[in-house]
Amino acid sequence: RKEVEQDPGPFNVPEGATVAFNCTYSNSASQSFFWYRQDCRKEPKLLMSVYSSGNEDGRFTAQLNRASQYISLLIRDSKLSDSATYLCVVNPFTGNQFYFGTGTSLTVIP
Amino acid sequence: GAGVSQSPSNKVTEKGKDVELRCDPISGHTALYWYRQSLGQGLEFLIYFQGNSAPDKSGLPSDRFSAERTGGSVSTLTIQRTQQEDSAVYLCASSLEPATEAFFGQGTRLTVV
Repeated sequence: RKEVEQDPGPFNVPEGATVAFNCTYSNSASQSFFWYRQDCRKEPKLLMSVYSSGNEDGRFTAQLNRASQYISLLIRDSKLSDSATYLCVVNPFTGNQFYFGTGTSLTVIP
Repeated sequence: GAGVSQSPSNKVTEKGKDVELRCDPISGHTALYWYRQSLGQGLEFLIYFQGNSAPDKSGLPSDRFSAERTGGSVSTLTIQRTQQEDSAVYLCASSLEPATEAFFGQGTRLTVV
């Protein structure tokens, strides 16, 4: 079983739409959770950390459900510039490596 | 700059040659990670350094791959006798402490011909 699983998409949404991505992780002892975005042929860039109580950064909201080992990312009022691959990332706090999902592709259409 | 710096940005090498890739992490970051990403694929963990501890080499795909981190700062990833399947983008990341937010360099695109 993969450490982190994501729906690969693709998600094609119109500008202004709300879109949600989900991710599950297998290690119940995991302690650190993140969302990264990766543009084509670029390095992953940190979008936001995910905290147990959930957290929001502008149009982006991240949620964590430890009982279900589930992480989500909600993007409101989608912009063309949101088009990218979104990577769900988990670290089991042994610290040795971050486990990356394979990514969910988002295209925002004018 | 204040970010993670990798060099070279691109490297084309002949099959069988050795290559060295360099990573300069963010100053003060104790943890350093190497990943690689083949075209259209996910990130594959290679090796992890934390302070003066022995590195976690569990992701290195073969004994042709080695890495070191000198003085707790700059790291080099060496691939000996390169093969075509080594072609990928090699990404370095650093974080202030283990398991905290990691920041990536722009990567080294390695092409073995």
